[in-house]
Amino acid sequence: SAVISQKPSRDICQRGTSLTIQCQVDSQVTMMFWYRQQPGQSLTLIATANQGSEATYESGFVIDKFPISRPNLTFSTLTVSNMSPEDSSIYLCSVGGGWGTGELFFGEGSRLTVL
Amino acid sequence: AQSVTQLGSHVSVSEGALVLLRCNYSSSVPPYLFWYVQYPNQGLQLLLKYTSAATLVKGINGFEAEFKKSETSFHLTKPSAHMSDAAEYFCAVTEGKNTDKLIFGTGTRLQVFP
Repeated sequence: SAVISQKPSRDICQRGTSLTIQCQVDSQVTMMFWYRQQPGQSLTLIATANQGSEATYESGFVIDKFPISRPNLTFSTLTVSNMSPEDSSIYLCSVGGGWGTGELFFGEGSRLTVL
Repeated sequence: AQSVTQLGSHVSVSEGALVLLRCNYSSSVPPYLFWYVQYPNQGLQLLLKYTSAATLVKGINGFEAEFKKSETSFHLTKPSAHMSDAAEYFCAVTEGKNTDKLIFGTGTRLQVFP
C-alpha cells in the first residue's frame, strides 16, 4: 500500500489565478496519476506523470492548462492555470500498486472552488 | 474503448437490508474490474477487484461482487447494510492489460436509513 498526502486539502480561488497542488507519497513509485472529480460526477484522468519524462495528458486536457511536475519518485505537483468557475472540482492524486493491475491508492483530494 | 456503466446514481436502503449496486462493462475481453468506495471528504479506497481468478470476489467490510461474463456485469452486493456503508461507490475497469490506468463509472451514492 501507499500513503498519499495532498496539499492543500481545499482552497477558494479567484478567477484568473493559478493554484499548485502538491502530492507526496511515502514510497517510491514510477507512475502517478492526476484525476479530476467535478461536482456530482465521476473521476476523469487528467494525466499520467512518470518521473524523468513529460506527463502524458488525456484527451481534453492540455499542458498549458494543467502543467505537471515530477521531480522525483515520491513527489508531484499539478497546477491549475488561469482558473475559471468550471475548474471547481476535487483534484485527486493517485499511484498504482506497481504491478500493472489497476489497483490504485488515492490521496484525500484537493477541493478547489473558483469564484 | 473500455467503459463501465453504473445503473442508478442513488440507492437507498434500510439498515440490515440487502445492498445491490449495479455495474456493466463493455469489453469483448474480460478486463480487470474494481469497486472503489469514497467516504465523505476522503479519497477513494479499493473495495475489491476481479483479475480473472475466481468469479465471486470478496472484499472489505462484507462486500462481494460476482463477475458474469455472459451478462458483462460486475454487480456489488452486501447481505446486510450498515449505517457506515453510506458512501459513494465507483465501478472501474482497466484500460487494458498490464496498466494502472482506470476508467471509472459515474458512481452510485448509497444512503442507509435506520
